[in-house]
Amino acid sequence: QVQLVESGGGVVQPRRSLRLSCAASGFTFSIYAMHWVRQAPGQGLEWVAVISYDATNKYYADSVKGRFTISRDNSKSTLYLQMNSLRTEDSAVYYCARDLYGGNSGVESWGQGTLVTVSS
Amino acid sequence: SYELTQPPSVSVSPGQTARITCSGDALPKKYAYWYQQKSGQAPVLVIYEDSKRPSGIPERFSGSSSGTMATLTISGAQVEDEADYYCYSRDSSDNHKGVFGGGTKLTVL
Repeated sequence: QVQLVESGGGVVQPRRSLRLSCAASGFTFSIYAMHWVRQAPGQGLEWVAVISYDATNKYYADSVKGRFTISRDNSKSTLYLQMNSLRTEDSAVYYCARDLYGGNSGVESWGQGTLVTVSS
Repeated sequence: SYELTQPPSVSVSPGQTARITCSGDALPKKYAYWYQQKSGQAPVLVIYEDSKRPSGIPERFSGSSSGTMATLTISGAQVEDEADYYCYSRDSSDNHKGVFGGGTKLTVL
């Protein structure tokens, strides 16, 4: 049973940083690409970033490029999202999600999300 | 920037067929994926690679793609199918970026 558990969300002031984590279990983490997807309150889904199974390839949405960094630790089956220079428009539920395959195809399984609120 | 366009809402009576469309210039060359999101819950994959159904998804869910439009069809929609549905694909100009459609609220009543 695929399980993805996000943590690290909370309230943070604009221009500050926050790091999200996602603990994976129930599957071989090291062979799957992983994504972050976010959803602002009452809004639709927005793809944020993807990292390949071996961390050699990372891609970002234009809205976060240069501010957010996706990474992974396969020895710990954990995915991360380092978020710097946060803006009020970054407020959202952040979902960790597993890809269908090792590269970058589509999202298959989702965590329950962690809420990030950027506010002064 | 690349966009996938969905109708904001679709409404059907129980037992009828619901069709939700997703339009995008790159869909002839890129797969479409469909997600169901019920209120307060995480999304669930219901169709991948245009027309494949994951294990555990009811057979009434099907997908197709033709030209610049992908379609999610729910044959014999049930009350429990009421949810937001999102299509997903890859950016036409940057194959590595993902893009979601704006979402469609399906009402079954």
